[in-house]
This record gives sequence, C-alpha cells and structure tokens, in this order.
Amino acid sequence: AQTVTQSQPEMSVQEAETVTLSCTYDTSENNYYLFWYKQPPSRQMILVIRQEAYKQQNATENRFSVNFQKAAKSFSLKISDSQLGDTAMYFCAFMKTTRNTGTASKLTFGTGTRLQVTL
Amino acid sequence: DSGVTQTPKHLITATGQRVTLRCSPRSGDLSVYWYQQSLDQGLQFLIQYYNGEERAKGNILERFSAQQFPDLHSELNLSSLELGDSALYFCASSVDLQYNEQFFGPGTRLTVL
Repeated sequence: AQTVTQSQPEMSVQEAETVTLSCTYDTSENNYYLFWYKQPPSRQMILVIRQEAYKQQNATENRFSVNFQKAAKSFSLKISDSQLGDTAMYFCAFMKTTRNTGTASKLTFGTGTRLQVTL
Repeated sequence: DSGVTQTPKHLITATGQRVTLRCSPRSGDLSVYWYQQSLDQGLQFLIQYYNGEERAKGNILERFSAQQFPDLHSELNLSSLELGDSALYFCASSVDLQYNEQFFGPGTRLTVL
C-alpha cells in the first residue's frame, strides 16, 4: 500500500514571495505519477502539477514547480511570486500505473497543507 | 469548470436514512471515481467504475454502493446513515483507464443529523 505524508499542516507566505510545500511518499512501485492538487475555499479540487516517476526532469507549470527526488521519495511544490489567489489547501497525491498497459488507478492523498498568502 | 457535474450540492438528512448522490462525467470520459473527504479520514478513494463495470474498490463501507449506467453517469448510494458519514463526496472522471488525469466535480456536501 502507498502512503503520502505532508508534514506541514499550515504555512503562510507574503505576496510575491516564494514558498515550498513538502511531501514524502512510500511505495514499492516503480511506475507511478505524483500530483499536487489545490483546494480553494470553494472546495473544488484543481490539478496544479503532475510528475511522471520515470521522468528525471522536474515538472513546471508557470509559477509552480516541483522538486522530485525519487530515491528519497520526496516531491515538494514550489510556488514562486505567490498571489492572494494561491490561498488554499494543497494536497499531494500518488497514483500507481502499469507502465506496459498504462493502466491508471486511484489517487492516494496526503493530509494537506493549508497555505495562506498575506499582503 | 471541470465539466464534471454532481447533484445535489448539499444534502441534509437524518441518521438511518438513505441518500443517492449523482455524478455526470465529462463528455467522453469512461472512468468514474468516487472519493470521500471528511475531517477525520481526509480524502480517501471509495470506488471506481469503468464503462459500466466496477474496476476497483477502496475503503468503501458495506452500507455504501455505487453503479455506473449505460449513459456513463454514476450514482453513489449511502444507506443506514450515521453521523460519521457526514463528509464531502467527490466524483472524478478520466478519459479511460490509461489516462492519468482525473477531473473532479464540485462535490456533494452530506450532513447527517
């Protein structure tokens, strides 16, 4: 079974600053994806960024980037130039896949980090 | 807007009752997932359907059941409700079994009194 751990229940960052959210996971699988989801006060789950485990290059989406350390089973999210709209709960998630068939499966989530962006 | 719709948005009911939550996936998506988000359990996977067939089960209680219909919409049935079933229930859909991105609906907030 896979587990995902987010050790920072809450974080705060000033607008325009950079913040890093931590995530570690435990799995014996070789083929998987990692995700960061954002859940704003509206409760909608929004995909922020995705990383394929077999890719060494860290994923980047505009102001969001990850630091993926496969050997350490670490997957942190860096938010640059933080904006008020980034205030939300952030969930790290794991998905096992079968590389040959590409069969995807359920998402396993961490407990979340509540990020507050302040003026 | 993810394209996934869930009804109702809010549901308030009493212990012992039965409710049905409905999900319509994005147009063309064959796979539907149900997740429960509660204060004590966090976000957890309940069940997955693909093209009408159950594909995977997670921590779903025996009092809960689901199905996916020929038009691909899905329903989650919760019976003999308990206070602890109060949660936000999400439906997510993906194109097929191979596509990894899941698009989430807005959720149904269930309150059991």
